[in-house]
Amino acid sequence: DAGVIQSPRHEVTEMGQEVTLRCKPISGHDYLFWYRQTMMRGLELLIYFNNNVPIDDSGMPEDRFSAKMPNASFSTLKIQPSEPRDSAVYFCASGRLEGGEQFFGPGTRLTVL
Amino acid sequence: AQKVTQAQTEISVVEKEDVTLDCVYETRDTTYYLFWYKQPPSGELVFLIRRNSFDEQNEISGRYSWNFQKSTSSFNFTITASQVVDSAVYFCALTGGDSNYQLIWGAGTKLIIKP
Repeated sequence: DAGVIQSPRHEVTEMGQEVTLRCKPISGHDYLFWYRQTMMRGLELLIYFNNNVPIDDSGMPEDRFSAKMPNASFSTLKIQPSEPRDSAVYFCASGRLEGGEQFFGPGTRLTVL
Repeated sequence: AQKVTQAQTEISVVEKEDVTLDCVYETRDTTYYLFWYKQPPSGELVFLIRRNSFDEQNEISGRYSWNFQKSTSSFNFTITASQVVDSAVYFCALTGGDSNYQLIWGAGTKLIIKP
């Protein structure tokens, strides 16, 4: 299996621009997670989906952030407009079972200037 | 509330030494799961182990071993004969109960193995 695929791996953008991060989960996994990692706050769960339906988005920092999962093999995390404080590594992860392990993608390093 | 504490922020040892990373958790759930993940300098998060609350057997995988003790709410990770490639940040995590799929993460322990 190819594992969780994320794109782009690196993104540098200017404040105010729209940023879209993409994720392809492992085939057969019913759960998909978006995380953000920074030095100050560590790993934060932003949102997670079960069978393409958002279950908990309480970690989404504000309305500038939105996530979609139009089908079982694709999800996006969008930031509009982006701000310098959004600079972080964004991870996507997928899993099969309740209480089961999550498998992480390589992450997208976002820099907002 | 659930909580995971990794009190060791950073550990530095010389190659071939054994090293133990501590993880203490808090939960009121009777059914829960504990995990360890590795994050090497390249940045990816690598799953190492999952343990459910009903299985207190210790686990060994090569140079890695895990000691789960419910009596002390600990799930410690030992690397035997450490190698430079073991240098990474190691995270302990917990899930279960109402947030069945939300991983509660420890702050991580940075392990430095010196040649």
